[in-house]
Amino acid sequence: AQKVTQAQTEISVVEKEDVTLDCVYETRDTTYYLFWYKQPPSGELVFLIRRNSFDEQNEISGRYSWNFQKSTSSFNFTITASQVVDSAVYFCALSGIWNSGNTPLVFGKGTRLSVIA
Amino acid sequence: GAVVSQHPSWVICKSGTSVKIECRSLDFQATTMFWYRQFPKQSLMLMATSNEGSKATYEQGVEKDKFLINHASLTLSTLTVTSAHPEDSSFYICSAKRGQETQYFGPGTRLLVL
Repeated sequence: AQKVTQAQTEISVVEKEDVTLDCVYETRDTTYYLFWYKQPPSGELVFLIRRNSFDEQNEISGRYSWNFQKSTSSFNFTITASQVVDSAVYFCALSGIWNSGNTPLVFGKGTRLSVIA
Repeated sequence: GAVVSQHPSWVICKSGTSVKIECRSLDFQATTMFWYRQFPKQSLMLMATSNEGSKATYEQGVEKDKFLINHASLTLSTLTVTSAHPEDSSFYICSAKRGQETQYFGPGTRLLVL
């Protein structure tokens, strides 16, 4: 069975601080995808990143960076110099890679980030 | 990224009525669409997976006769909540993908059953 654990339920930081959101996953699949989504108060899920299990390179996109450690089954997400607009619920998710494409996402419970001005 | 729309964005209905929610992929053909439900301050729970032209696959515990899913074309899937009750009040979100590509989510539909 697949499982995603986001141990941090809520985090509050002051604007301009760096913050790391943790994600630990479990899967028996040898190949899989990992994702991060942002859900602002409006409710819409915004896609942030998809990482293939073959690719352990860390990725940076502006103020966002992701650290994929296959050895510890973790896919952590760091926001540097946080801003008020970063306030949202962030979900880590996992899916297998099947040829049929019928691979639903397994979501973690989410981490609610509040950035205070 | 790809665009997925949902309609309506919110709906209030009386207990016992049926509600239909549409999910459309606007700029790509979606081989697979998923329906999720999210209760306040909780994570998304998969309800069902649907492929165009075939019956939906429901997750354990989801009543297929209550939550009717139709995937009539490569750009449209509908979820009908039949005989809705207050406990069906939730945030319903669809997603669409083409093959192995990333899932893109619609903006969600808030359902309130009185």
